[in-house]
Formats: sequence, structure tokens, C-alpha cells
Amino acid sequence: GQNIDQPTEMTATEGAIVQINCTYQTSGFNGLFWYQQHAGEAPTFLSYNVLDGLEEKGRFSSFLSRSKGYSYLLLKELQMKDSASYLCAAYTGGFKTIFGAGTRLFVKA
Amino acid sequence: DTGVSQDPRHKITKRGQNVTFRCDPISEHNRLYWYRQTLGQGPEFLTYFQNEAQLEKSRLLSDRFSAERPKGSFSTLEIQRTEQGDSAMYLCASGGEQYFGPGTRLTVT
Repeated sequence: GQNIDQPTEMTATEGAIVQINCTYQTSGFNGLFWYQQHAGEAPTFLSYNVLDGLEEKGRFSSFLSRSKGYSYLLLKELQMKDSASYLCAAYTGGFKTIFGAGTRLFVKA
Repeated sequence: DTGVSQDPRHKITKRGQNVTFRCDPISEHNRLYWYRQTLGQGPEFLTYFQNEAQLEKSRLLSDRFSAERPKGSFSTLEIQRTEQGDSAMYLCASGGEQYFGPGTRLTVT
């Protein structure tokens, strides 16, 4: 079957670092997306990992291990505006993208 | 504005009616995706177009849902004989990184 698992909620403090984990089991795998979604808005693209390893983009970094079916999104120097849902999604063979339910991140002062 | 646009942004319809939504992707993007999202869940894949060819679709599109992209530019998603369970946000995305439009929120009464 197709399955994406990520924690439902996380809370972190402004200025801190938070890591949001994602595990996936899919029939076919091409790459792993991360999106940010604020309440009532559409998802916004953050990253797409195809190869194993860490990719850094400013305050956000994303890691992929294809052999372990595992990814994480790392957010540094947290800001209040980072409070949002973070969606992990696997791009499978055959053009289908499977999304997790999302991790709601609350950033507190 | 050169982003993905969707029309209408909101649609209220009575059960049993047909509805059609439109998506205009970013102009140079060949890839176009449709998703459905309900509260607290990640987007659910509906279908994928490469130019005008529909290359992947979920089992949902074999029944009351149908999608077209006649000239490889804009796309339409039609839902026939709407049901209350169809109430959701319908999202369109384009490009390899899947940039999302603002969505069409459907309410079936």
C-alpha cells in the first residue's frame, strides 16, 4: 500500500530549531516533497529531494534517506510566521504524489 | 500575476447539481495536477496531465469526476451529481515542483 507518516503536531520556541520527520512506504518512488501550508491557504513549495543527503535553503533544510524511507525537514531560527502545517509528499512512479496528513507546527514566544 | 489561478474561488451548490472548476497553470508548465483536500488532511491526488494527455488518475475519476485539458493550457474539473461528501477544497498545481493555485472551495448543501 501507500503510506506517509508524520507527527500530527509539534510545538517549538521562537529562535529554536525544529525537526519534522516523515516516513514513507510507496509503490515506486521518485522523490520527496515538503510544502508549507498556512491555515486557509494553498500549499507552498519548500523542497524536493531526489538523492540521499541534506539540502539546505536558507533557514530550511531537507534530508532524504531512500534506503530507510525517511525524510526530515529542519527549520532553524524559528519565527512566529513559521507556525503552519508542513506536508510531506512522495512522488511515486507513474506521476502520482501521495501526501501525508501534515504536521501542525506551533511556534511560541 | 504569473502564478497558478483557479476559478471560482468559492462554489456553493445543491446536492445533485453538476459543477465545473477551471485551472490556469503557469504558462510554460506542461505538467498539471488536480487534488482534493479536506480539513486536517493532506491533498489527495485526483489526476495528472502532461500537456493535453491525462497520464494518471485516481479511481475517483472513474465515476462522477472528470477532468480535461483540451489544448494543453487550462484545465477543467467537473463533478456530476454532487454529494455532500464532495465538499472540500479543490487544488490545482503546475510544474515539476507543483506550484499550487489558491484553490476552489466547494460546499454542497
